[in-house]
Amino acid sequence: QTVVTQEPSFSVSPGGTVTLTCGFSSGSVSPTSYPSWYQQTPGQPPRTLIYNTNTRSSGVPDRFSGSILGNKAALTITGAQADDDSDYYCVLFMTSGTWAFGGGTKLTVL
Amino acid sequence: QVQLVESGGGVVQPGGSLRLSCAASGFTFSDHVMHWVRQAPGKGLEWVAAVVRDGNEKLYAESVKGRFTISRDNSRNTVYLQMDSLRPEDTSIYYCVRDNNAWGFDCWGQGTLVIVSS
Repeated sequence: QTVVTQEPSFSVSPGGTVTLTCGFSSGSVSPTSYPSWYQQTPGQPPRTLIYNTNTRSSGVPDRFSGSILGNKAALTITGAQADDDSDYYCVLFMTSGTWAFGGGTKLTVL
Repeated sequence: QVQLVESGGGVVQPGGSLRLSCAASGFTFSDHVMHWVRQAPGKGLEWVAAVVRDGNEKLYAESVKGRFTISRDNSRNTVYLQMDSLRPEDTSIYYCVRDNNAWGFDCWGQGTLVIVSS
């Protein structure tokens, strides 16, 4: 069974740039995987950041960007800020016609 | 403004049933695919099910297929999740989520907590 993989944790310095990735345990992410990205802080529902690979959701600052790098989807945060310290989840559209989330990446800004 | 309000969560014994509801407002409900996504305590997000605009097509995660049923009533602007044969591993916050019709989820409810325990 193919699962969606993400780095469990990552750290970045304030003002720095970080790229989180999202892939399949077997196979490559493509534009028809329609990757999207969500940010979640404790006790809150997720917030939509990016959908359809690289489209920013309304109100999301342009320091968040999405892309496909190699065989994975990527979320890049440029100029990290303290309130970017959150959990980040990707979701991919599967060949079965269903959706699957990655396990999430805990990003620490310090 | 767009709003999704879940209800129906609670404590249920293993093997029991529960029906979740999600009342939508602030948008044309019948224009959007609707999803349920869950999150076990301290764990990540898991996509559970989706129902298309007219309710005629439904999709499920393997973990709930055959036990959960998603449905919608466009006249009531409400989506449902009927959960049968519940297991302790179904314990989660269940979120109702709107599909943005552009390959993303764009609006999330606050969630309703389901606890499966004896």
